[in-house]
This record gives sequence, structure tokens and C-alpha cells, in this order.
Amino acid sequence: AQSVTQPDIHITVSEGASLELRCNYSYGATPYLFWYVQSPGQGLQLLLKYFSGDTLVQGIKGFEAEFKRSQSSFNLRKPSVHWSDAAEYFCAVGAEKSSGDKLTFGTGTRLAVRP
Amino acid sequence: DTEVTQTPKHLVMGMTNKKSLKCEQHMGHRAMYWYKQKAKKPPELMFVYSYEKLSINESVPSRFSPECPNSSLLNLHLHALQPEDSALYLCASSRLGQGAGGYTFGSGTRLTVV
Repeated sequence: AQSVTQPDIHITVSEGASLELRCNYSYGATPYLFWYVQSPGQGLQLLLKYFSGDTLVQGIKGFEAEFKRSQSSFNLRKPSVHWSDAAEYFCAVGAEKSSGDKLTFGTGTRLAVRP
Repeated sequence: DTEVTQTPKHLVMGMTNKKSLKCEQHMGHRAMYWYKQKAKKPPELMFVYSYEKLSINESVPSRFSPECPNSSLLNLHLHALQPEDSALYLCASSRLGQGAGGYTFGSGTRLTVV
């Protein structure tokens, strides 16, 4: 069964500092990996996705993530955090299927940004 | 149009009420999903519709009844809910097949059962 682990429940960084959110996955085949962001009371917005090819993936809002098969990781990074980045971040793994794509989400990392 | 629209945004219902949540997308996506999200928890899959047919039911209680009238609409009918069913209900859609690109989520319906 597929699973995702986000080891950091809560992270606080200063505005302008760099950020790395960790994600480890378990999946029997080549995974489809995603990072979503959720502001309070809102739905989830897709930041970036990895299917195949280049292991460094660029996303929206200046985020990037690197797929490392040997470490079963897909960590999210941003070189300089803005106060508006404060939110909940979910890593997810799924499989493309003709009958619908079930995504399994990690437990999330809540990001706080210090002024 | 690159959005998934959910109505209502907020709903308060009694345990004997019948209500429905609505979800609409016009992106031509042929898969649609209902997720339930409790506070400070990740979303949990409830149902998947593929080409307007129910393809996955994650053992959801029968007091939740999904319906997909056409390729753009997805409903969730609610009846005899319990207070523990209070949550954010998220609808999502996606294309199907290789490289489909992940979900597009709606902003959710915040449901409170009293």
C-alpha cells in the first residue's frame, strides 16, 4: 500500500530565510508525487508534481522539489520565504489509473513565518 | 475555466435534515472525487467517479450518497448525519490516464452537524 510520511508537524522560519519541507513515500512502482498547499479554511492548491524525467521539479510561487529515488524522498524547497507562504503543506503520492487516481496524503506540515 | 466550484461554502444541518453538497467543473475532467477533511488532518478519500460511474467507495457510511448527473457535476447527498461528520468536504477533479496532472480542488464546504 502506498503511504507518505511528513516528519515535521510544524516549522517556523524567518521571512527571507530558506525553507525545506521533508516528504518520504512508500510505493511499489514509479510514484506520481505532488505537493499541495492549503490556507486556513480553503481547498488545496497544487504547487508542483513529479511524474518522470528531470528529478528537479519547478512549481508555482517559487517552490521546487527534488525526487530522490534512492532515499524515497520528495522534499519541497524555497530559497526565500515570504510571509504569505504561511500555510499547511501536504505531500501526496498516487498512481495514474484509468478508473481514477487515488491520492494518499501525508499528515501535513504547518509553516509559520516570523516577520 | 480552471476552477472547481463548490456550493454552499458553509452548511449547518440538524441530525434529521437532508441536504446536498454540489460540485461543478468545466475543465473536461472525467474523474471527480469527494474528500473529507477533519481539522488539522489530511484529506481522506470518500468516493471516486470515473466517466460518471462510481469507481471507488472507501467504505463510506450510507448516510453519504454520491451522485454524478453528468460529466461536469458531482453531488453529495447527506441524510441523518452525526456530529462527528462535521468537517470540510472537498471536491476535486482530474483528467484520466498517463500524465493526467493531479487534482484540481474546490475550496470546500464547511459542514457543521448539530
